Amino acid sequence: DTEVTQTPKHLVMGMTNKKSLKCEQHMGHRAMYWYKQKAKKPPELMFVYSYEKLSINESVPSRFSPECPNSSLLNLHLHALQPEDSALYLCASSQARASSPYTDTQYFGPGTRLTVL
Amino acid sequence: KNQVEQSPQSLIILEGKNCTLQCNYTVSPFSNLRWYKQDTGRGPVSLTIMTFSENTKSNGRYTATLDADTKQSSLHITASQLSDSASYICVVSLTTDSWGKLQFGAGTQVVVTP
Repeated sequence: DTEVTQTPKHLVMGMTNKKSLKCEQHMGHRAMYWYKQKAKKPPELMFVYSYEKLSINESVPSRFSPECPNSSLLNLHLHALQPEDSALYLCASSQARASSPYTDTQYFGPGTRLTVL
Repeated sequence: KNQVEQSPQSLIILEGKNCTLQCNYTVSPFSNLRWYKQDTGRGPVSLTIMTFSENTKSNGRYTATLDADTKQSSLHITASQLSDSASYICVVSLTTDSWGKLQFGAGTQVVVTP
């Protein structure tokens, strides 16, 4: 199984809503990532989890709250978002080796298309 | 400043023809370079990965080349098919950053027409 799954595929929410994005992989990967991608732009790294611990937070606003409940799951909790947060949110995973955790290939999920009204 | 530059920005080719995409990078020190294919609204899918010691890598009709001296890479698509219509992203991985953070190019949008 070389698949990263994400739910939901599409999400429309108001600025006062609370919602969550979910990501799951069963490849035994111990590094998981959240990216934000605007149209015709490359993905921008938001968060990195390694062995279920938050390793990198790329100065993301607190209205985005990541959670890694176990080695297979990664959530992104959303609250009080702004219209400019509308984007494709990508989850990825990779093997995390002690010497070089992030030079392995990252496998991306299909993404969640988020629209904030 | 983006350390990974791709050209052209977009490309239209006839089905069955070949095309070559370019990637120039200034990332240093360099660990490896990947080419990803991303269909509209979907996540990127890895096509090839090359370390600094590799010159070429193939994956079916996709062939990537790397010149670590000039810091240039290319992706050649042979006998293009309609399903090749997508964005092709060059991604470079650092070595000094302990997390090996990826540097993404802006991508080349390829449209294959019948």
